[in-house]
Amino acid sequence: QSVLTQPPSVSGAPGQRVTISCTGSSSNIGAGYDVHWYQQLPGTAPKLLIYGNSNRPSGVPDRFSGSKSGTSASLAITGLQAEDEADYYCQSYDSSLSGSKVFGTGTKVTVL
Amino acid sequence: EVQLLESGGGLVQPGGSLRLSCAASGFTFSSYAMSWVRQAPGKGLEWVSAISGSGGSTYYADSVKGRFTISRDNSKNTLYLQMNSLRAEDTAVYYCAKDRLPTTVSDDAFDIWGQGTMVTVSS
Repeated sequence: QSVLTQPPSVSGAPGQRVTISCTGSSSNIGAGYDVHWYQQLPGTAPKLLIYGNSNRPSGVPDRFSGSKSGTSASLAITGLQAEDEADYYCQSYDSSLSGSKVFGTGTKVTVL
Repeated sequence: EVQLLESGGGLVQPGGSLRLSCAASGFTFSSYAMSWVRQAPGKGLEWVSAISGSGGSTYYADSVKGRFTISRDNSKNTLYLQMNSLRAEDTAVYYCAKDRLPTTVSDDAFDIWGQGTMVTVSS
């Protein structure tokens, strides 16, 4: 049972901007812990997309951006492309659970 | 090249045991905390367990506490997950994942993932 809540799905036409929210609480995101985002293409392992709330690893296009405020975080994809169709997960740490990293419920992005 | 390669998955009966392995290469294995993350068919990601670089600190999700044991052999650059008293709800792809920074278990991201190994618990 995830403690980070994401919308089940978002969609957009090619070229559009979509955002995915990740809502937590005072024991995880609100406690100041970093939020990270992963992209999972069908049948593959997750790939790190954003770390430390808003930083992109080398090789990740600048179309992907992250932000955090209060007990929530967001991932934005601008200039949506067909290859962005995937599942996206946020991840943080929760102090109420012993040493526990926690994932969001996941969001399916569909390119119309 | 930094790489993680899991093995040991398979079909096991309820109540049975299985040991997963994750062979690491391309980085100083002993410097990094490692985790196991699982994904049930058609479901989201679930963090299962983590271990510090030295192996001295271990952490577990409530769903596996008392049944699973994480360990590592830094001389063999290998991470393990011993799974006992397996249940149908443990059926999932199990991934090993590396923390991005050489620190203790923290709120750090996973920068490298293995390809996963499937565990099916069924009679």
